[in-house]
Amino acid sequence: GQQVQQSPTSLVLQEGENAELQCNFSTSLNSMQWFYQRPGGSLVSVFYNPSGTKQSGRLTSTTVIKERRSSLHISSSQITDSGTYLCAPGRDSNYQLIWGSGTKLIIKP
Amino acid sequence: EAAVTQSPRNKVAVTGGKVTLSCNQTNNHNNMYWYRQDTGHGLRLIHYSYGAGSTEKGDIPDGYKASRPSQENFSLILELATPSQTSVYFCASGLGTNTEVFFGKGTRLTVV
Repeated sequence: GQQVQQSPTSLVLQEGENAELQCNFSTSLNSMQWFYQRPGGSLVSVFYNPSGTKQSGRLTSTTVIKERRSSLHISSSQITDSGTYLCAPGRDSNYQLIWGSGTKLIIKP
Repeated sequence: EAAVTQSPRNKVAVTGGKVTLSCNQTNNHNNMYWYRQDTGHGLRLIHYSYGAGSTEKGDIPDGYKASRPSQENFSLILELATPSQTSVYFCASGLGTNTEVFFGKGTRLTVV
């Protein structure tokens, strides 16, 4: 079956540092989506980025389909960036999202 | 921006009672999903739908029913609620196979 690996599992940074999150997947999937979730909060779509590079403010996503990987870069991190980031590279035959296990990001002051 | 609206946002139910969670989307999306999220389990799919009148079982359908009376509305029904169904429930919608999926803000259900 499909496998999705996110790394690192957790990341602790000082405010102002840059964060690099990775999502690697084992089969050909082509609807990469990144989500953000605060503890006890809702799932917020950060990027829908099936290929190429997209930027929104301090966040940049790069997806390279043929290498089966996507990254989420957060520059000049802020305390409010803390939370869990989930990637979902695609769907299975029943249109269900295939999820990574997430990266827990903690930004310290 | 596509929107998915869940109601209620919080619910306390008694064991053995009936609970209905509602989801509405005005994005004209064909596919809708119900997930639950628990600590240590991540997101687990309960039921999903390809369109009005269709409901399909996800990975953990036991104890849940779903109803899709229209393109816009997708309900999750707990006929006999149990404390093990205490969780946060998310509804989502999407257009097709390789398109963006949008989530509602979630419903926190506590069964006492």
